[in-house]
Amino acid sequence: HLQLQESGPGLVKPSETLSLTCTVSGDSISNRNYYWGWIRQPPGKALEWIGTMYYSGSTYYNPSLKSRVTISEDTSKNQFSLKLRFVTAADTAVFYCARLRSYYDSSGYYNYFDYWGQGTLVTVSS
Amino acid sequence: QSVLTQPPSASGTPGQRVTISCSGSSSNIGTNTVNWYQHLPGTAPKLLIYRNNQRPSGVPDRFSGSKSGTSGSLAISGLLSEDEAAYYCASWDDSLNGPVFGGGTKLTVL
Repeated sequence: HLQLQESGPGLVKPSETLSLTCTVSGDSISNRNYYWGWIRQPPGKALEWIGTMYYSGSTYYNPSLKSRVTISEDTSKNQFSLKLRFVTAADTAVFYCARLRSYYDSSGYYNYFDYWGQGTLVTVSS
Repeated sequence: QSVLTQPPSASGTPGQRVTISCSGSSSNIGTNTVNWYQHLPGTAPKLLIYRNNQRPSGVPDRFSGSKSGTSGSLAISGLLSEDEAAYYCASWDDSLNGPVFGGGTKLTVL
């Protein structure tokens, strides 16, 4: 049974770097059939895709966050991580990690997050 | 403001059928499929519908999805109290080259 668990500080100071880790159990982040990603939800607002990584090391970021975001992997621990630099209060959100299924078949191209972590609240405040 | 538009709330009584709409554009729903998630506070969002109308294993057939043009729809029949949750639609956006989400619909079972 696949499980994803976010971990990291719940409070980060403005201008500092937010760092979160997603620990995956029940699958390998090196599984070529999946990507692994981060999504966030600020209080009272919509879900927002942050970025996604593939086992090969390829990364894909939301253009609105690209200059501040890095997603990386630690295959030895079956974890992937998020770093968001120069945070402000606007970055306060619940952060989720999730597995992305992305594939082509005869009918077209399909993408969906099939498993999510339960999320972790990160507050940016001094 | 979310890229996909959902009504903020919906309600129904046990046994009823409710539908939740999701409106997008040509760069997302108009070109790609719609997925739906169910979310209870403090828990992991759960994939409910993918590829417009496909249910993952374990999702009851009371839940169904459809798509027409640049809009998607989630229908829940035989409403149960346990269906009270937030429901989010999602799709791939070709302009963003990434997934986009609706703002969520809070379903209340009266």
